[in-house]
Amino acid sequence: GNSVTQMEGPVTLSEEAFLTINCTYTATGYPSLFWYVQYPGEGLQLLLKATKADDKGSNKGFEATYRKETTSFHLEKGSVQVSDSAVYFCALSDQDSSASKIIFGSGTRLSIRP
Amino acid sequence: EAQVTQNPRYLITVTGKKLTVTCSQNMNHEYMSWYRQDPGLGLRQIYYSMNVEVTDKGDVPEGYKVSRKEKRNFPLILESPSPNQTSLYFCASRINRGSNQPQHFGDGTRLSIL
Repeated sequence: GNSVTQMEGPVTLSEEAFLTINCTYTATGYPSLFWYVQYPGEGLQLLLKATKADDKGSNKGFEATYRKETTSFHLEKGSVQVSDSAVYFCALSDQDSSASKIIFGSGTRLSIRP
Repeated sequence: EAQVTQNPRYLITVTGKKLTVTCSQNMNHEYMSWYRQDPGLGLRQIYYSMNVEVTDKGDVPEGYKVSRKEKRNFPLILESPSPNQTSLYFCASRINRGSNQPQHFGDGTRLSIL
């Protein structure tokens, strides 16, 4: 079945460091891919999305490119801030299911030191 | 303001005592779903609903019930809660079942079953 694998955390970085959180997926067809962010005590919020191969999603300085050849959707940011500390979830929309279910990775906790 | 509202936010209860977690959205979304979030497992879908009076099981439906009598509401019912249902629960909605539509999440309900 379809699945999402993302790097385990926690990831701890200093402010202004470069961030990469790896995400790979297994899917038939052409799923849409998402990154969600969860701040402490809150629900998940959509961070960015890409709906077809080679699309780049971007928001708040974060970027991710839909790479079909490597089945990846890695999240990157050039200079992280303390306010980026959160849990990040990679997800795909399962087009094989009748309801286009969204499948989530296990989440990566990111902590940024001042 | 567009939002998904869950109540209660926190609940501590005992095994076997029926409880209901309410979920309401004000965006006229067709699709709603319930997830539970457990450490290392990400989000797993419990039930979903594609429209009024249309519900179906997700990946972990055992021990849960749902109903969708109105478009805006999608309550989660635990008829006889057990300790293994202690978790963080999220309700989510999206405009329809389209695969590139992001989900909007509530702020979560933390349930502790003693």
